[in-house]
Amino acid sequence: DQQVKQNSPSLSVQEGRISILNCDYTNSMFDYFLWYKKYPAEGPTFLISISSIKDKNEDGRFTVFLNKSAKHLSLHIVPSQPGDSAVYFCAASAHDGNQFYFGTGTSLTVIP
Amino acid sequence: DAGITQSPRHKVTETGTPVTLRCHQTENHRYMYWYRQDPGHGLRLIHYSYGVKDTDKGEVSDGYSVSRSKTEDFLLTLESATSSQTSVYFCATGTSGGAGGELFFGEGSRLTVL
Repeated sequence: DQQVKQNSPSLSVQEGRISILNCDYTNSMFDYFLWYKKYPAEGPTFLISISSIKDKNEDGRFTVFLNKSAKHLSLHIVPSQPGDSAVYFCAASAHDGNQFYFGTGTSLTVIP
Repeated sequence: DAGITQSPRHKVTETGTPVTLRCHQTENHRYMYWYRQDPGHGLRLIHYSYGVKDTDKGEVSDGYSVSRSKTEDFLLTLESATSSQTSVYFCATGTSGGAGGELFFGEGSRLTVL
């Protein structure tokens, strides 16, 4: 069973608008969440993270929101830029575990 | 950037042959991971290591084995490759397991099993 789910395989957004990528998880033991960005033929690169003690974390144009009761997190990119076009993975872990569980990814296309 | 090198970067092999992928890191990270990326499945954990000679299975470990004889190297072996193991394999390293921090990924190894 997939413990981390990204239900939107793809998303298209106009340049300058907001991109919202969503992620759901099922394991209530998860308390640390990350977003990764992946370009074709490259390895994923870390974007932003959030601990379960927070409900929001911001880094420049990127903000991650965590709703623990709904087991849902989202990544907001404002404003979106063409260079943001990539596949975005969310990941989750539990503080007493060693594994990181990834979602299936959302392919974001930012249209100039 | 963490220095993570995967080799080979591309390999084509035939069903039934053994294959070993190597991950080498220069950051002295304790944790090392092997993931595979497949369409519709995202990144799935094959095996991971939490120290020299300490390894454990991930969610898709069948058909794979690993070894870590020194901190910097983590080997993934397919004893007898099958077409279902055609995939892109990513090595990752980390400092703190699931307790925060981040994973650093290599550039991937594309394996095709004919």
